[in-house]
Amino acid sequence: GAGVSQTPSNKVTEKGKYVELRCDPISGHTALYWYRQSLGQGPEFLIYFQGTGAADDSGLPNDRFFAVRPEGSVSTLKIQRTERGDSAVYLCASSSQGGGSPLHFGNGTRLTVT
Amino acid sequence: DAKTTQPPSMDCAEGRAANLPCNHSTISGNEYVYWYRQIHSQGPQYIIHGLKNNETNEMASLIITEDRKSSTLILPHATLRDTAVYYCIVRVTDRGSTLGRLYFGRGTQLTVWP
Repeated sequence: GAGVSQTPSNKVTEKGKYVELRCDPISGHTALYWYRQSLGQGPEFLIYFQGTGAADDSGLPNDRFFAVRPEGSVSTLKIQRTERGDSAVYLCASSSQGGGSPLHFGNGTRLTVT
Repeated sequence: DAKTTQPPSMDCAEGRAANLPCNHSTISGNEYVYWYRQIHSQGPQYIIHGLKNNETNEMASLIITEDRKSSTLILPHATLRDTAVYYCIVRVTDRGSTLGRLYFGRGTQLTVWP
């Protein structure tokens, strides 16, 4: 079946601009996660949703970052007033409910802020 | 978050078993051990997970020590395509649920050579 889909695969933007990154999870998965990964580092947790609500947003670095999941399926990560330090690969993952259910990751969106 | 410790790099001859160690001495009784791998330019791929007992699937085996303070991922017959960064992760729980986030470290770069 279809896996986690992220669009766009690459995004180049200028410093100060606003960007939106989209994630389509695996159908039926109730939990959705956003991570970001800088070169040479492991993925860093940002936020996770259970259904429509953010169950844990403790990883969002500051208030320029925001994520929504209005219908409990597709999610959008929004970054305002982008900075060069925001350049990274943004990864999305989803999982089904139930003990120990693994996360399934997309291939990410590579964001470059110039 | 319970943290993990892995060697930064390992290598293995093609066709031989690859044994990747992980220390997680602060793991709690209800936390799972997960293994993921990441091939360049792709999202992390789920391999296997376990709580107390050893586990095996079509990709690998997971051996967890009786005190649960360490584990070993075994790829029984490594191929060139197994070259990747391997992450050992302890899953944080959310109010007793296992839907909590994964904490990634830097992982082990496994290189399989011909």
